[in-house]
Amino acid sequence: DVKVTQSSRYLVKRTGEKVFLECVQDMDHENMFWYRQDPGLGLRLIYFSYDVKMKEKGDIPEGYSVSREKKERFSLILESASTNQTSMYLCASSLPPANYGYTFGSGTRLTVV
Amino acid sequence: KQEVTQIPAALSVPEGENLVLNCSFTDSAIYNLQWFRQDPGKGLTSLLLIQSSQREQTSGRLNASLDKSSGRSTLYIAASQPGDSATYLCAVKGDNFNKFYFGSGTKLNVKP
Repeated sequence: DVKVTQSSRYLVKRTGEKVFLECVQDMDHENMFWYRQDPGLGLRLIYFSYDVKMKEKGDIPEGYSVSREKKERFSLILESASTNQTSMYLCASSLPPANYGYTFGSGTRLTVV
Repeated sequence: KQEVTQIPAALSVPEGENLVLNCSFTDSAIYNLQWFRQDPGKGLTSLLLIQSSQREQTSGRLNASLDKSSGRSTLYIAASQPGDSATYLCAVKGDNFNKFYFGSGTKLNVKP
């Protein structure tokens, strides 16, 4: 089975800190995604990557950046954390053909105080 | 832009009941549709993936159907159990075939 591993289940950070959320997948998937999930707003796509060093903005990229230096690892960076970035962050991966689905990690609950 | 709607937002049923969760989408030009389960505070677990050329998929007590032309999918759960209590989300892969569009989910509570 494909595994998508998010390094932290829970994180508490202070306003203004630089925050790194890490995601690693073990099945050689080209596509990787970062979503955030908030009550009443559902899942919203932040960034995705379809190859090493390639990235595209999703629906809500403001305040975030990403890094994909190796195929298996996709990092989400909060340059200067703010309280409105308190959320559940979910990483997913997929093979490129259109007929493949997503595999998700277990999520990181980030609280910015 | 594709919009995905799930109704009802919440559902409470007694154990043993058969139930149907609904998912509708606005653009019928989809590649596939995926149903997920999410337990509180956890990530999403894939339940079923239906390709655009398929009408249904089955896994154990779960059966998902797809009617592309009408923009609808249903997830049928037979003989529900308290362990089925979770939020169920559907997602469709559409025009940009690399990404899914998600519904807001149906929160299911199965009472013992």
